[in-house]
Amino acid sequence: EAQVTQNPRYLITVTGKKLTVTCSQNMNHEYMSWYRQDPGLGLRQIYYSMNVEVTDKGDVPEGYKVSRKEKRNFPLILESPSPNQTSLYFCASRSRTGYTDTQYFGPGTRLTVL
Amino acid sequence: AQKVTQAQTEISVVEKEDVTLDCVYETRDTTYYLFWYKQPPSGELVFLIRRNSFDEQNEISGRYSWNFQKSTSSFNFTITASQVVDSAVYFCALSEADRGSTLGRLYFGRGTQLTVWP
Repeated sequence: EAQVTQNPRYLITVTGKKLTVTCSQNMNHEYMSWYRQDPGLGLRQIYYSMNVEVTDKGDVPEGYKVSRKEKRNFPLILESPSPNQTSLYFCASRSRTGYTDTQYFGPGTRLTVL
Repeated sequence: AQKVTQAQTEISVVEKEDVTLDCVYETRDTTYYLFWYKQPPSGELVFLIRRNSFDEQNEISGRYSWNFQKSTSSFNFTITASQVVDSAVYFCALSEADRGSTLGRLYFGRGTQLTVWP
């Protein structure tokens, strides 16, 4: 089954404690990205990756890091989380083939930073 | 400036009413894609439809229909005979295809919370 998985699904942590949210896709997609969703703001892109070892900033990259060492994985790293990073996070992947431009989203990770 | 505007923050209807969710987009690309996603209370994002900029045909899928009008840069979504299970947040999104550096990025509207009362 084609899917994007994220772990953990729920996380409560404290300010300054480094954390990683994993994302994995089994569709051999080149393009992966991270979004955060906040009430009244919709989804905003944090980082994206066009392929292995190629990453770039989205609209709200401050306070986040990513890496793309393998095609299937795209972890999101918060080196020193702060309360304003409390949010719902989505990982997504898509292929780059022609007009089949549908992004597949993971189930979401709800992060609370105290 | 926002690329995707969903002016309706919240809509409430009673079951069996028809409801239209508005979406206005802004782009200079000639090739682009428009999407609608549904986010039920459980939180996941459910893909509903994708249209490309070259296809202005309206689409119907069961109780759902979409009206794409390039002249007004709108991509509105209508639910006919709404049901309680339609209650969700609905997001309209745009993806531009002409620029390599932003290829594939989705620009989301802020969403419309639809509540359908029994």
